[in-house]
Amino acid sequence: EAGVAQSPRYKIIEKRQSVAFWCNPISGHATLYWYQQILGQGPKLLIQFQNNGVVDDSQLPKDRFSAERLKGVDSTLKIQPAKLEDSAVYLCASSSPRGGLTGNEQFFGPGTRLTVL
Amino acid sequence: KQEVTQIPAALSVPEGENLVLNCSFTDSAIYNLQWFRQDPGKGLTSLLLIQSSQREQTSGRLNASLDKSSGRSTLYIAASQPGDSATYLCAVLRGSRLTFGEGTQLTVNP
Repeated sequence: EAGVAQSPRYKIIEKRQSVAFWCNPISGHATLYWYQQILGQGPKLLIQFQNNGVVDDSQLPKDRFSAERLKGVDSTLKIQPAKLEDSAVYLCASSSPRGGLTGNEQFFGPGTRLTVL
Repeated sequence: KQEVTQIPAALSVPEGENLVLNCSFTDSAIYNLQWFRQDPGKGLTSLLLIQSSQREQTSGRLNASLDKSSGRSTLYIAASQPGDSATYLCAVLRGSRLTFGEGTQLTVNP
């Protein structure tokens, strides 16, 4: 079974530029998550999708971050414009809601390391 | 709001030593607790998942315990090896939200 795929693996941009990350979840997984992991910290949830609908985006900085999952499979996360403090690893995860939205194991992709100069 | 704390933040041990990593959480109403490993520049690898109804899980040289009532979990690594060097993260699942600790950076010296 193929895992969660993410691209690019690394990205370096200057502040005020825009950037987009892509995630392809495990086949059949309806739930998709984006996390931000700043160096030395644990991952923090940015947004959770169930199919193509948003379940939880309470920790997403909506003034500059946006995410979509138009067809309920792949997802993109965008930052516009980027700030220095956005330098982090962006992790995508997916899970299969066998019994509903809650209590399901999440599987993580390799992440995208973003450096904002 | 769920808070997860991991102690120690960093640990350095000689090869062959047995060690314990600690994780505590403030809200005991969890579905499960999971231990992950993260190598530098890489994603998360799931090591062990303990359901809220379970007390422990074992995989090879790893053993994780869960005391939900006291809000604590431990990850025991037996006979540590240099290849075990990584950051170990614990995370608790409540509802559909996974909350992580800040990790313990482990170095096993040959």
